[in-house]
Amino acid sequence: ETGVTQTPRHLVMGMTNKKSLKCEQHLGHNAMYWYKQSAKKPLELMFVYSLEERVENNSVPSRFSPECPNSSHLFLHLHTLQPEDSALYLCASSQDEASGNYNEQFFGPGTRLTVL
Amino acid sequence: AQSVAQPEDQVNVAEGNPLTVKCTYSVSGNPYLFWYVQYPNRGLQFLLKYITGDNLVKGSYGFEAEFNKSQTSFHLKKPSALVSDSALYFCLRGSYIPTFGRGTSLIVHP
Repeated sequence: ETGVTQTPRHLVMGMTNKKSLKCEQHLGHNAMYWYKQSAKKPLELMFVYSLEERVENNSVPSRFSPECPNSSHLFLHLHTLQPEDSALYLCASSQDEASGNYNEQFFGPGTRLTVL
Repeated sequence: AQSVAQPEDQVNVAEGNPLTVKCTYSVSGNPYLFWYVQYPNRGLQFLLKYITGDNLVKGSYGFEAEFNKSQTSFHLKKPSALVSDSALYFCLRGSYIPTFGRGTSLIVHP
């Protein structure tokens, strides 16, 4: 156990559905991340919430919407997804410092998403 | 843009032999470099990191990595491979937007 949990572990959804992925960290960290891992691409950073700022990868489609209500919880809201969005979605957390991101990230087990 | 490269998609090694998984980084400032391992159907696990100080960094499960500034490399090494080391290995450059390498599949044969 890494101290980062993700639910659900598996999700199958149609293209017209709306669903949310949840991540929770029990490590007292101040930064949380969403990554997409697909078979043909490297790990792709989608969103970061760090030191109360949100950073996003500009290539992420608007059908993905993050929410970070507090430093322990992170959501990824999904709507009108496409089959190519099928992937493993990983959440991570770390303790970031204003002087630099030199602390390791702790990853959850991921949510395996299949879009039909 | 800062980046990391893992030039090998797959590395094969016999059990008991030394292993090396390669990582190079783009030259820009002082890099924070990390190695992670991913076992099937699992999230990534931290192995080791270089921030500053000694160029040889020791980490979990007997792994180590050497930071080489002149060659802009941070190769992961282990003196004697185990079959259980078979997994996917990722190099990461820590920054405002962290960047992972493509990953290298390590296969250790009995």
